[in-house]
Amino acid sequence: KAGVTQTPRYLIKTRGQQVTLSCSPISGHRSVSWYQQTPGQGLQFLFEYFSETQRNKGNFPGRFSGRQFSNSRSEMNVSTLELGDSALYLCASSLARGPAYEQYFGPGTRLTVT
Amino acid sequence: AQRVTQPEKLLSVFKGAPVELKCNYSYSGSPELFWYVQYSRQRLQLLLRHISRESIKGFTADLNKGETSFHLKKPFAQEEDSAMYYCALTGGTSYGKLTFGQGTILTVHP
Repeated sequence: KAGVTQTPRYLIKTRGQQVTLSCSPISGHRSVSWYQQTPGQGLQFLFEYFSETQRNKGNFPGRFSGRQFSNSRSEMNVSTLELGDSALYLCASSLARGPAYEQYFGPGTRLTVT
Repeated sequence: AQRVTQPEKLLSVFKGAPVELKCNYSYSGSPELFWYVQYSRQRLQLLLRHISRESIKGFTADLNKGETSFHLKKPFAQEEDSAMYYCALTGGTSYGKLTFGQGTILTVHP
């Protein structure tokens, strides 16, 4: 079974630009969550999608948005990039919602903002 | 607000020694606790979860609600246990939201 895939793996953008990151969950998984990982703040929850609906949102500005498609694939978008947005963005998928369902993480997209 | 604290950024032990990675949490309801591990050049993966009450790779963790702790223990550390370990919690309706601690880098010396 293929794992969670994220594209692109690496990205370099300039301040003020926008970026879209993609996540393909494990086949059959319907829940997708996004996390930002930085050396200073660690792993922070961005948002969760289930059945194309955002179910939870973390404490991030409105520049961060996401969506989920009918095939459970998800994208997140960051507009008006700032230097502080440089981070590893992780996507995780699970079969369904609930603590009994393990979250499987992707390899991440490394975003560098210059 | 929910919070997870891992007081040790770095932990070094020798092979065969017991190891304990500390995790304390703050949560107003009944939390579900997890330990995740990230080995070098590998993805973050689930090690064990409180609701399963299982032992994985010799590791166990007990939820102590009185002390709000979920420490990870292994009686005899192995070199292959060297990795970054994260304690995480979820609860209530925030099932898809994991709140992570800052992580502890465990190094097991030969």
